[in-house]
Amino acid sequence: NAGVMQNPRHLVRRRGQEARLRCSPMKGHSHVYWYRQLPEEGLKFMVYLQKENIIDESGMPKERFSAEFPKEGPSILRIQQVVRGDSAAYFCASSPLTSGVAYEQYFGPGTRLTVT
Amino acid sequence: SQQGEEDPQALSIQEGENATMNCSYKTSINNLQWYRQNSGRGLVHLILIRSNEREKHSGRLRVTLDTSKKSSSLLITASRAADTASYFCATGDYGQNFVFGPGTRLSVLP
Repeated sequence: NAGVMQNPRHLVRRRGQEARLRCSPMKGHSHVYWYRQLPEEGLKFMVYLQKENIIDESGMPKERFSAEFPKEGPSILRIQQVVRGDSAAYFCASSPLTSGVAYEQYFGPGTRLTVT
Repeated sequence: SQQGEEDPQALSIQEGENATMNCSYKTSINNLQWYRQNSGRGLVHLILIRSNEREKHSGRLRVTLDTSKKSSSLLITASRAADTASYFCATGDYGQNFVFGPGTRLSVLP
């Protein structure tokens, strides 16, 4: 059973471009969480999705950021018109359970976004 | 992956008391992080302590780190009902999968 997969692992974008980060949850998992990590900081929660539903987006910036988890295919975190401050590591985690307690969230390896 | 293991598994205290929970880990680290999680929600980052730091404060939170014992503690002073949650430590970083232990379930009774 493959783990959570994220791609790309590294993404370089120029200011103003769009960044699309993909997350394929573990097989059988229908809950996905996205987190952002700035250098020397902990994970910051962004959004929690079930298939075709956003459950909690309280950590998402109000503008330029969006997330989806379609019925088929990976979850996508989309950042429009990227700025240098968006440079960070973005992690997704998947869970089989509604409660999604931390130890039952399986994390992907992350995507490091660099905005030049 | 680097896993934290929290102790105790559950802790029940009265409002106003202090709560202490511990974390042990296995490998060398650059930093250690503590998180809180309310049921059904994402993780909320509380505090990060670097491997060359021994103690760190943030509001009512105090974290210590003992790299020789590979352990950390989180102290919440003057607890409130709103502190009721699960608390986790982690040592993951980009390129290293985050793995969380079972956590400490804290209940603060009014």
